Amino acid sequence: TQLLEQSPQFLSIQEGENLTVYCNSSSVFSSLQWYRQEPGEGPVLLVTVVTGGEVKKLKRLTFQFGDARKDSSLHITAAQPGDTGLYLCAGATNRDDKIIFGKGTRLHILP
Amino acid sequence: NAGVTQTPKFQVLKTGQSMTLQCAQDMNHEYMSWYRQDPGMGLRLIHYSVGAGITDQGEVPNGYNVSRSTTEDFPLRLLSAAPSQTSVYFCASRRQADQPQHFGDGTRLSIL
Repeated sequence: TQLLEQSPQFLSIQEGENLTVYCNSSSVFSSLQWYRQEPGEGPVLLVTVVTGGEVKKLKRLTFQFGDARKDSSLHITAAQPGDTGLYLCAGATNRDDKIIFGKGTRLHILP
Repeated sequence: NAGVTQTPKFQVLKTGQSMTLQCAQDMNHEYMSWYRQDPGMGLRLIHYSVGAGITDQGEVPNGYNVSRSTTEDFPLRLLSAAPSQTSVYFCASRRQADQPQHFGDGTRLSIL
């Protein structure tokens, strides 16, 4: 059974601070996706990483895929209240056609 | 562009009732999935399909049935609703196996 562990589960920080959230597994993934979900809506894709060691940037968000393709991190620089939401990582493997999600990190940025 | 459309948005059922949650996508995606989302549990995969006529079980399939008679539609059936099935249900579709998923807005289901 492949599991994706996200940490921390909750994070509340002041506007302007930096933060990192983590997504870890003992399984190897062919790709890993990060989603952001707001209340009452479905998850929306932020980025997909596919190559071990890959780094992708989306404005103030930096995503990294581990060299062994078992883990990933999301770093937010100078967090804004608009970054508040539930951040989910999801992994796809070459063994089957499932995409499995972690339990998410609920982020709250205080103004 | 409609994307992924789920109906209904809200539903209240009594224990033992049956119902079908509808999901339709207009992007000609081969892969479709149903997830349930509960507090503190993230999204758990119920059933998925890799194309018309093909379905398979996910992490939590018990109590749910699916079918995929067309590429566009992927309905989820609750045969005999139980309070443990109270949840928010999301349908998702994607073009290929490791491509990102497009989600509907969810169906909020309460079983009394």
